[in-house]
Amino acid sequence: EAGVTQFPSHSVIEKGQTVTLRCDPISGHDNLYWYRRVMGKEIKFLLHFVKESKQDESGMPNNRFLAERTGGTYSTLKVQPAELEDSGVYFCASSQADRGEQYFGPGTRLTVT
Amino acid sequence: GQQLNQSPQSMFIQEGEDVSMNCTSSSIFNTWLWYKQDPGEGPVLLIALYKAGELTSNGRLTAQFGITRKDSFLNISASIPSDVGIYFCAGHLVFGNEKLTFGTGTRLTIIP
Repeated sequence: EAGVTQFPSHSVIEKGQTVTLRCDPISGHDNLYWYRRVMGKEIKFLLHFVKESKQDESGMPNNRFLAERTGGTYSTLKVQPAELEDSGVYFCASSQADRGEQYFGPGTRLTVT
Repeated sequence: GQQLNQSPQSMFIQEGEDVSMNCTSSSIFNTWLWYKQDPGEGPVLLIALYKAGELTSNGRLTAQFGITRKDSFLNISASIPSDVGIYFCAGHLVFGNEKLTFGTGTRLTIIP
C-alpha cells in the first residue's frame, strides 16, 4: 500500500511569490491533515479535512494560507504571498475514520528568501 | 503555547544501551503516539496508546500511557545504529478533536 506522498520535496522561493504544495493521502483515508515544523520548534497543526470539508482550521497562521481538498482526494496548500517566516517543513498526514493513528508524508521543505 | 514537555532534548549513547525518554503535560491527553523521524523523512508511527495505564511493545520499543493521562514514556532496549533519529511524542488533547499536539523531540545519537 502506498503511503502519503507530497510534492515537491523542496521549494525555494522569494518573498512575495506564491507556492502550492500538494499532498496525496493513503487511499481510503477520509482524514487529511497539514502540519508545519519551523526551525527548532515542535511540529504544529495547521488544519484537518474530513473528505472535502474543513473540519478544523484553527492552526492556519493567517489568510495568506489556503488549503483545498476538492473531491476529497488529494489536497493543496497555497501560500500567497510568501513571507520569510513561512519557511519550514510542511507535513501532510492522513488517517482512517475514527482511528487515532496518523500517517505522515515525507514533507515539503519550503525556504523563503 | 507549548503543552507537551519532552525530555531529554538529546541523548548520546553507545550501541547496546537502553534508552528512555518521556513526555509530560499539565493537560490531560486522550491518546499518546510516539513517532520517529529520520533525516529528510516524515515522522513514522512507532506506537499508539489509547488507555490510561496501557503498556504496549513493538519489538525493542515499549511505551506506556501514564495513569494520570498527563505523561507517557518510551523505552528502547539494546539500541542499534538504525535507532538514530528524532523521536516525537504526540497526543490528542480533546476527545473527538483529531489534531495532534507534538513534543519538541528527543534527538538520539549512537556513539561508535
